[in-house]
Amino acid sequence: TAGITQAPTSQILAAGRSMTLRCTQDMRHNAMYWYRQDLGLGLRLIHYSNTAGTTGKGEVPDGYSVSRANTDDFPLTLASAVPSQTSVYFCASSDGDLSTDTQYFGPGTRLTVL
Amino acid sequence: GQNIDQPTEMTATEGAIVQINCTYQTSGFNGLFWYQQHAGEAPTFLSYNVLDGLEEKGRFSSFLSRSKGYSYLLLKELQMKDSASYLCASMDSNYQLIWGAGTKLIIKP
Repeated sequence: TAGITQAPTSQILAAGRSMTLRCTQDMRHNAMYWYRQDLGLGLRLIHYSNTAGTTGKGEVPDGYSVSRANTDDFPLTLASAVPSQTSVYFCASSDGDLSTDTQYFGPGTRLTVL
Repeated sequence: GQNIDQPTEMTATEGAIVQINCTYQTSGFNGLFWYQQHAGEAPTFLSYNVLDGLEEKGRFSSFLSRSKGYSYLLLKELQMKDSASYLCASMDSNYQLIWGAGTKLIIKP
């Protein structure tokens, strides 16, 4: 079982360019999440989706957009990248059982914006 | 505001015991999670506490005191492979995780 896959593994992007980070899970989890992880800071939630067809904003949504057309995929798009978006991005999923909602993480995408 | 505090770094000796503390202040509380993250890898789930007390799982145990807003992760019989960052996260009233910055644990032979 693959679990959660993310692509690309790493990317260097010129400022002003757009990019989509891909995330796919095969666990049939209802909920999916995008986080960014920066040195010295905790994981910060960018956007989330509780179920296919719905999305919500997290703590740091500005400059990012998401869609959830189906259960398995949850792409994150940077419309016009800026250097402050240099980070490691993790996608996660959970079964959506709110009482014990353990999140499972993908391997991450390391993004550098120059 | 919402806040999770844990030490930045700790050092321990192989075979010993180490306790990593975490204090939390979140809007509502629906449980406390601990994750392990090796350098360059994804976080992986270790434990979940929602009731006061100690949960033991092999060499790892996690404790919660809701009245004190306090948790700790106890690692026994430390092995070199336990060198990693340990992330504390509190689930708030919206069922979203609020994460600490992590504690980097260095194990020395």
